[in-house]
Amino acid sequence: GQQVMQIPQYQHVQEGEDFTTYCNSSTTLSNIQWYKQRPGGHPVFLIQLVKSGEVKKQKRLTFQFGEAKKNSSLHITATQTTDVGTYFCAGPWDNAGNMLTFGGGTRLMVKP
Amino acid sequence: DTGVSQDPRHKITKRGQNVTFRCDPISEHNRLYWYRQTLGQGPEFLTYFQNEAQLEKSRLLSDRFSAERPKGSFSTLEIQRTEQGDSAMYLCASSLVTGNPEQYFGPGTRLTVT
Repeated sequence: GQQVMQIPQYQHVQEGEDFTTYCNSSTTLSNIQWYKQRPGGHPVFLIQLVKSGEVKKQKRLTFQFGEAKKNSSLHITATQTTDVGTYFCAGPWDNAGNMLTFGGGTRLMVKP
Repeated sequence: DTGVSQDPRHKITKRGQNVTFRCDPISEHNRLYWYRQTLGQGPEFLTYFQNEAQLEKSRLLSDRFSAERPKGSFSTLEIQRTEQGDSAMYLCASSLVTGNPEQYFGPGTRLTVT
């Protein structure tokens, strides 16, 4: 079945440093979604990418979808303590795009 | 608050007992999903409803698990004859059929099987 993997599993950064997490799928994806889960919280949707090579920005967050639509990345510029949490990518395994396979997540810790 | 709600938030049960969890989705959302999440892992898909119809169930899901959404509104997830390996956070999410793909997650029910 479809597998979605993320690296790194953990990342410690000093506040103000940049951070990147990478997501790889074993199959071509129709789209990819990113979620953030704060410690003790539930996943919250950040964004969906659909087109090959697509790049989207949300303030300090930059999301990229690979040309082959099998990988994606999330880059945070100048991290802040509010960025702490686990970032998950998720890709659909059904044609309609309803059922998601989540990656294992990258846990970001920011030292003030 | 009109978000997704789940009840109970915590459940401790003894091995072999049955448990039932409830999820109330956002009112206008007709898609409802159940996921299971263990520590350090991403959510794992369990099953999915569109209105009252259960359209998909994970092939990895034991027959001890069953879910219903009788009137297309709230949903229940039942686990029969619980095992220690069932200990996890059970998350419910809902979404609209068309347009925004975003799944809105509830706070989850944490199950501990002793």
